[in-house]
Amino acid sequence: SQQGEEDPQALSIQEGENATMNCSYKTSINNLQWYRQNSGRGLVHLILIRSNEREKHSGRLRVTLDTSKKSSSLLITASRAADTASYFCATDLLSGGYNKLIFGAGTRLAVHP
Amino acid sequence: DTGVSQDPRHKITKRGQNVTFRCDPISEHNRLYWYRQTLGQGPEFLTYFQNEAQLEKSRLLSDRFSAERPKGSFSTLEIQRTEQGDSAMYLCASSFLMEPQHFGDGTRLSIL
Repeated sequence: SQQGEEDPQALSIQEGENATMNCSYKTSINNLQWYRQNSGRGLVHLILIRSNEREKHSGRLRVTLDTSKKSSSLLITASRAADTASYFCATDLLSGGYNKLIFGAGTRLAVHP
Repeated sequence: DTGVSQDPRHKITKRGQNVTFRCDPISEHNRLYWYRQTLGQGPEFLTYFQNEAQLEKSRLLSDRFSAERPKGSFSTLEIQRTEQGDSAMYLCASSFLMEPQHFGDGTRLSIL
C-alpha cells in the first residue's frame, strides 16, 4: 500500500508560473524525499528533507515539511517546459536499518510554453 | 558517471512464460532495491539487498518472483509463469549506505 498521497493528481500551468504540489502521509518518518520522473524513464532524486527540518531550498525548488500535519509541499518557481514530468513524494521509514521508501501516486505536471 | 543500468528496456512475453531482468547498479553502491510501478501509480517496494544478502522482501513478491545479487554486484529479478497482472515497469535503484537512491530507467514488461 502507498503511504503518501499527492495533491493535485494533475497540474497544468504556463511557463514562468509557479507550481505547488502537496503530499500527505500517515506514519512517522525519518525523512521525506521528492523525485521526478519523465515519461518512460526512471526516477530522479530532487531533494530530501529530514523530519527535524521545516523548509529546504535547492535552486528553483522549495520544500516544506509539517510533521504535526504529516504533510509536505514542493514548490517549483518560474517553471519551464522542461519541468513537465510526474513528481512523487516518498517517505523514508528507516525500516530495519535501511531506507525503505514508500511512494505516493504522484502529481503529473504539464508546463506549456 | 555511469548510472544504474537495466536490461532489457522492454520485454513482451506470453502468459505463462518465465522472464528475467538484469540490473547493474552504480559500482560503489552496496545497497540495491527493486520496485514495481504500474501505470499512473508510484513505485512499490519489492525487495532490498545489502551487498549479496537479500534482507527484505515485500508481500508483493509472490513465490513466482525471485531475486538474486551474486557477489554483491549486479542483480537479477526472475518472474516464473507470468500472469497478466505482472505487466508493469520494474525499476531498480541503488545507493551507498543511507544516501538517496539512484534509479535506472526500468524494464517495461508486457504480458500478452
